[in-house]
Amino acid sequence: GAGVSQTPSNKVTEKGKYVELRCDPISGHTALYWYRQSLGQGPEFLIYFQGTGAADDSGLPNDRFFAVRPEGSVSTLKIQRTERGDSAVYLCASSLTGGTGTGELFFGEGSRLTVL
Amino acid sequence: SQQGEEDPQALSIQEGENATMNCSYKTSINNLQWYRQNSGRGLVHLILIRSNEREKHSGRLRVTLDTSKKSSSLLITASRAADTASYFCATVMFSGGYNKLIFGAGTRLAVHP
Repeated sequence: GAGVSQTPSNKVTEKGKYVELRCDPISGHTALYWYRQSLGQGPEFLIYFQGTGAADDSGLPNDRFFAVRPEGSVSTLKIQRTERGDSAVYLCASSLTGGTGTGELFFGEGSRLTVL
Repeated sequence: SQQGEEDPQALSIQEGENATMNCSYKTSINNLQWYRQNSGRGLVHLILIRSNEREKHSGRLRVTLDTSKKSSSLLITASRAADTASYFCATVMFSGGYNKLIFGAGTRLAVHP
């Protein structure tokens, strides 16, 4: 498709389980961002990829969170030992470039994670 | 952390009225962007204003930026029921070699027919 695609759209899991959320950015976009959005709040920055490398992971809340982008396109956000506080909508966004241009982001529809 | 602070948090108006949302931020920026989010959906970019610009228009949208006060406003004129959504400002800083966008908490706009 032409837009940013995220799967699954909804994920319900139990506390302590492992979860993977996938993002397929717009073709040709080298910059990829993950954000987390809690109910009634704005998106909170998690991690930024330029190509295959995580250029800024300062927003990851702790070491249970990890993200990869092995071929510079699809990215996976991985959450280990999930906790109820991890429940949120995880948004992925891509941009043509991260270091030049204006930084306009194109967002996916998000993956809603619910930890019971 | 969220740099931008929007106010009001919620705004309820009638169709045809204008809606004004404000955003304040703390640090120097390259540009400031406004995004819209319909309930349960992703964010959609609306308009961008650079740090050396003071005002910008796009259709029914007007954005102003006052870098001395570190504030911006988004005006939607002649609102429609379809404008009902949450609106977020995002400050853009060139940090660590890339454009880092930090979002505010948003304004929830309800436009009643």
